Amino acid sequence: DTAVSQTPKYLVTQMGNDKSIKCEQNLGHDTMYWYKQDSKKFLKIMFSYNNKELIINETVPNRFSPKSPDKAHLNLHINSLELGDSAVYFCASSQVRTVVREQFFGPGTRLTVL
Amino acid sequence: SQELEQSPQSLIVQEGKNLTINCTSSKTLYGLYWYKQKYGEGLIFLMMLQKGGEEKSHEKITAKLDEKKQQSSLHITASQPSHAGIYLCGADLQGGSEKLVFGKGTKLTVNP
Repeated sequence: DTAVSQTPKYLVTQMGNDKSIKCEQNLGHDTMYWYKQDSKKFLKIMFSYNNKELIINETVPNRFSPKSPDKAHLNLHINSLELGDSAVYFCASSQVRTVVREQFFGPGTRLTVL
Repeated sequence: SQELEQSPQSLIVQEGKNLTINCTSSKTLYGLYWYKQKYGEGLIFLMMLQKGGEEKSHEKITAKLDEKKQQSSLHITASQPSHAGIYLCGADLQGGSEKLVFGKGTKLTVNP
């Protein structure tokens, strides 16, 4: 069973389009995250939700809008895609009320904007 | 400037050799996480360190956090091709925060 799953795995689209990436975790975790990994492999947090509430919102263009319909899902919607949005987007989840609190990552979604 | 510096950026070793990857911060590392990433895959959690001077081992991988809690090292003994990948350190720099800041990663190649 996949712990953290993302769809799609690859996404190729034209500039100006709107697209969504979905994430689901079956670990029963209460916190979920979106990270962006750029072409230089630099991984940076974008958003975090705890029990469907936004708790971390880094300096991200407001074209990016996360949505958490329930604790097990955190989707990322991107409007008016730009070339610079091309990257690998990772979803992750964790359980905050534990000692180690490691984050479990999904396989990533490779977004290419043409 | 980068909050977490990893060195080296890349490393090529012969199978069987030992190697060390470093992760350094100018701020206190309240929680330091080591992850491994293979191409096209997500990050796999390796170890987490919290206390100054702490050391943990899993199979042939040992991670240490210095007493000042500003530097961590990851040591692999008798490397194997299966150890190849990108190693990333991630840290809680605020204390009790869910936000992890990551280093740029170290790409490890192990030649058979």
